[in-house]
Amino acid sequence: EAGVAQSPRYKIIEKRQSVAFWCNPISGHATLYWYQQILGQGPKLLIQFQNNGVVDDSQLPKDRFSAERLKGVDSTLKIQPAKLEDSAVYLCASSLVNGAGTGELFFGEGSRLTVL
Amino acid sequence: KNEVEQSPQNLTAQEGEFITINCSYSVGISALHWLQQHPGGGIVSLFMLSSGKKKHGRLIATINIQEKHSSLHITASHPRDSAVYICAVPQGAQKLVFGQGTRLTINP
Repeated sequence: EAGVAQSPRYKIIEKRQSVAFWCNPISGHATLYWYQQILGQGPKLLIQFQNNGVVDDSQLPKDRFSAERLKGVDSTLKIQPAKLEDSAVYLCASSLVNGAGTGELFFGEGSRLTVL
Repeated sequence: KNEVEQSPQNLTAQEGEFITINCSYSVGISALHWLQQHPGGGIVSLFMLSSGKKKHGRLIATINIQEKHSSLHITASHPRDSAVYICAVPQGAQKLVFGQGTRLTINP
């Protein structure tokens, strides 16, 4: 079974530029998560989708971050314009069932962003 | 106070030692996740447990729901076990809250 696919693995941009990350979850997984992990910290949830609907985006900086999952399958996360503090690994995860408390999470390898 | 507290934050041990990582949480939960993250790598789910104990190879996870505490044990530790181990619990029905992680280094 294919895992969660993310791209690109690495991206270096200058501040005020834009960047987009892509995630393809495991086939059939309805729930998709985007996490931000700053070096030395645990992952922080940015946004959670259930199919193509947003379940939780309370910690997404909406002035610069956006995410979509139009067809309820793959998803993109965009940052525009980027700031230095956005340097982090952006992790995508998916789970089969609705609700983080009942479904095993499968993570992608992450996309490491460096903002100069 | 964080809802999920892990201890220790850093742990260095010699190959072969028995390792214990602890996780305490403050809210009632239905299940708890233990995750592993290798340096530069993605996160892998090790266990999801709601009661008692689970074992996979040299890894054992236990949970005490009443005491709101879970432990991850590694028997006969090996350098390849060096990683960050993260405990995560659901907040409400749909959101996971992560601990800060325990960085484990096993020296040969």
